[in-house]
Amino acid sequence: GAVVSQHPSRVICKSGTSVKIECRSLDFQATTMFWYRQFPKQSLMLMATSNEGSKATYEQGVEKDKFLINHASLTLSTLTVTSAHPEDSSFYICSAGPRPDTQYFGPGTRLTVL
Amino acid sequence: SQQGEEDPQALSIQEGENATMNCSYKTSINNLQWYRQNSGRGLVHLILIRSNEREKHSGRLRVTLDTSKKSSSLLITASRAADTASYFCATLLPSNDYKLSFGAGTTVTVRA
Repeated sequence: GAVVSQHPSRVICKSGTSVKIECRSLDFQATTMFWYRQFPKQSLMLMATSNEGSKATYEQGVEKDKFLINHASLTLSTLTVTSAHPEDSSFYICSAGPRPDTQYFGPGTRLTVL
Repeated sequence: SQQGEEDPQALSIQEGENATMNCSYKTSINNLQWYRQNSGRGLVHLILIRSNEREKHSGRLRVTLDTSKKSSSLLITASRAADTASYFCATLLPSNDYKLSFGAGTTVTVRA
C-alpha cells in the first residue's frame, strides 16, 4: 500500500530554535499534502494545506510565519516550526495521497520544546 | 474546524465483546472515514463509507451511515486486546479542498 514517511519521528529542542519536519510520499506523487497537529488525548486539527509549486493555505488561527511550509517537489513537503516555544510541543502528522480524496497518514513527529 | 463529535469518549470492554462507537456531524458530506490510532502513533485507515452508502463491512468492522441523522457508527465485533486504540471518524465535505475534519475520538480499551 501507499506509504507516507515523516522525519524525524521525535525531536527535542530548546526554546527559540527552529525545527524542520519532513513529510515524504514514497511510492506516489502528491500535489497536495496536509499538516495536522494533535495535542495529548485530543483529536487532529488541520493546520494547513501544502500545495506543490505554490503557497500553502493555512487554517484560521494558524500563524503562517510561525509554521512555514514548503512543498518543493511532488514527494516532499516540509513544516518548519520557527522560534519554537513550549506551547508548540505537540504531535505533528502529515497526510498525502495519489488523489486528493485518498489520503495516507504519516507516522507522526513528536516535538518537545524545552 | 472539527465537525464530528464522537460518543462515547471512552469505552472499556472485555475481550470477545463487541464495541460500538458513534459519530455525529453537522454538514453534508462526500464521505465519512474511520481511523484507528495506537498511542503515540500515526493513523491507520480502517474504512470509508460514501454518502450514498448505508452500510459497509470489512473483516470484524461494520460501519453504518445515516445521512438523515448525520451520524455514523463503527462496530468492532469479537474484540481483541490488539483493538485497544483511539478511533476517529473523519468527514470529507463536498467541496474542492479535500480537507478531512476529524471527530474528537473514542478511546477503546479491550481487557484480556
